[in-house]
Amino acid sequence: IAGITQAPTSQILAAGRRMTLRCTQDMRHNAMYWYRQDLGLGLRLIHYSNTAGTTGKGEVPDGYSVSRANTDDFPLTLASAVPSQTSVYFCASSEGEANEQFFGPGTRLTVL
Amino acid sequence: GQNIDQPTEMTATEGAIVQINCTYQTSGFNGLFWYQQHAGEAPTFLSYNVLDGLEEKGRFSSFLSRSKGYSYLLLKELQMKDSASYLCAVEESNYQLIWGAGTKLIIKP
Repeated sequence: IAGITQAPTSQILAAGRRMTLRCTQDMRHNAMYWYRQDLGLGLRLIHYSNTAGTTGKGEVPDGYSVSRANTDDFPLTLASAVPSQTSVYFCASSEGEANEQFFGPGTRLTVL
Repeated sequence: GQNIDQPTEMTATEGAIVQINCTYQTSGFNGLFWYQQHAGEAPTFLSYNVLDGLEEKGRFSSFLSRSKGYSYLLLKELQMKDSASYLCAVEESNYQLIWGAGTKLIIKP
C-alpha cells in the first residue's frame, strides 16, 4: 500500500450497532487524525494521536473511541451508532505538528 | 470563539483568475493551510502560510495577513480541473486544525 487507506469505503448501519472504521498508513507518520465531514460544515476533528500509544480528544469526540497500538493503524470505533453519526469520515496522518496532513479516501457511513 | 469564514460558492471562467478569501478568528495561530477537495474525494494539500505575505506555487498563490486575520488563495489561468472545493484551515497553538466549510469553485468554459 502507498499512503493512507481506509476501510470500508461505505457502510449502512442500523442504529445501536457497533462499528469500527479502519485506517492504515505506511508513511511512518507519527501523528494521525480522525475527522468527520458534513454538508455545510468544515471538517471536525474527532480524535487524534500524536504518537503510537497516545490519543487525545478533538472537537467532537462523544460517541467515538480510538486506539493507537502501533504507528501504522488508527481505528475509530462507534460503540452504539446513532443517526447523527451519519457522515463521511476521513482519516489523516502527518509527520508531526505544523506539517501538512495526508488524507485517506474516506468512509461514507449511514446510520439508520 | 473560533470562526473561519469563506464564501460558500464562486463561479469563474476558464483561463481567468479567481481569488478565494478566508477570514478567521481563533484563540491561537500557528499557520494557515489551504486544501483542495474534488467532489467525492479526499482533501489534498495546496499551501501553508506562517508569515505575512504572498507565497507563489505555480498557478496557485496564497496570501496571509495575521494582523487582519485574513488569507486568500489566488488561482490563475483557470482550468476545468480546478473545479473543486477549497478549504481554509487555521492551525491553532495546540497544532490542531480548525477548518472552514469550504468554497465550492465552479469553472465555466
